[in-house]
This record gives sequence, structure tokens and C-alpha cells, in this order.
Amino acid sequence: EDQVTQSPEALRLQEGESSSLNCSYTVSGLRGLFWYRQDPGKGPEFLFTLYSAGEEKEKERLKATLTKKESFLHITAPKPEDSATYLCAVGTIKAAGNKLTFGGGTRVLVKP
Amino acid sequence: DAGVTQSPTHLIKTRGQQVTLRCSPKSGHDTVSWYQQALGQGPQFIFQYYEEEERQRGNFPDRFSGHQFPNYSSELNVNALLLGDSALYLCASSFGRGRSSYNEQFFGPGTRLTVL
Repeated sequence: EDQVTQSPEALRLQEGESSSLNCSYTVSGLRGLFWYRQDPGKGPEFLFTLYSAGEEKEKERLKATLTKKESFLHITAPKPEDSATYLCAVGTIKAAGNKLTFGGGTRVLVKP
Repeated sequence: DAGVTQSPTHLIKTRGQQVTLRCSPKSGHDTVSWYQQALGQGPQFIFQYYEEEERQRGNFPDRFSGHQFPNYSSELNVNALLLGDSALYLCASSFGRGRSSYNEQFFGPGTRLTVL
């Protein structure tokens, strides 16, 4: 069965204090590793897709990387507006469908 | 360009009742997936619809059913509601070009269902 584990569960940062979030996965037939940002009470907002080991994507203060077993989301010099839950998901194609399997998320709080 | 829309925003039901949630996909998308997100957890896959057929299903009981219409919009129906069905229900749309390809799923704002 596909499994995705995110760590840490929660992260408290001072503004400007860089850090990394981890997403480890066990899956057969990986078709993509996805990162989403979710604000309280809202739907997940798409950030990145990574397809192969060694791939990197950047957006403002966020950078996502992928290895064969895990992905990292690096937050560089975070600001309070980066506070959110960050969700990692793996995409697989089985039978006729392509579902996402999510981890539990990392809640990030950035204090000014 | 409108993104994924869902209705209603919030819903309160009592145990044993039935509920219908609605979703309109992002323009140009033809595939709709439904997820359940309990408080403090990641979304769990319920099922996916493409070309008006359910093409994959997660580990949810038959009380959860759905439908996709010719305009690609979708409904999620839950019968005989239980307290444990209280959650944020998320709809995601994507462009389904077949089994060999994978595209990003874009989420709507969700429907918050409370079962009393």
C-alpha cells in the first residue's frame, strides 16, 4: 500500500530562519511528487510537481527537491505570510485512475 | 478563468440523514476527484470520475457515491450519515489524458460538513 510520511508535524520559525520539511514515501508506480500549501479552512493550493530523482523546482522562498525515497521543501528566509500547512502527495496510476496519496502535512508558523 | 468551485460552503446535518455536495471543475478539465479531510490530517481519496464513470475508488463504504455530468461537473452523495463523516470535503479537477499520463490536480475551497 502506498504510504507518505511528513516530518516534522509542526515547525515554529522566526522570520528569516530557514528550514526544511521532509516527505518520505513508499509507493509503486510513482507518477509525480506534489507539494501543496493549505491555509486554515481552505482547499490545498498547488505549488510544485517533481517527476524524477534529482529534479528541483523553485518559487519565491520555496524550493522543492526529489530523491528516490524522499522529497524536501526548503523555506529560505521565511516571512509570516509563509505560515500554513504544507502537504506532500504522491501521484500513482493504478487500474484506470490516478489518485493522490497525501501525507499528514507539516504545520509551519513563522513569527515576526 | 474560474478555478474549481464547490457548494455549499458549510453544511450541518444530523445522523442518518443524506447529503449531496457539488463541484464544478476548472475550465478545460474533464476529470474530478473527491477527497475527505478530517481535522489535522491530510486528504483521503474517495473516488475519481472521468467521462461520467467512476474509474478509481479509495477505501470508503458504499454509503459514499458520486456522479459526473456531461459538462464535467460532479456530485458527491453520502447516505446514512455518521458522526465520523464530519470533515472538509474537497473536490479536485485535472485533465485526464489517459492512463499513461499524469497531471496536477487543482482543488476547490471545500465543503465543511458537520454531522450532529
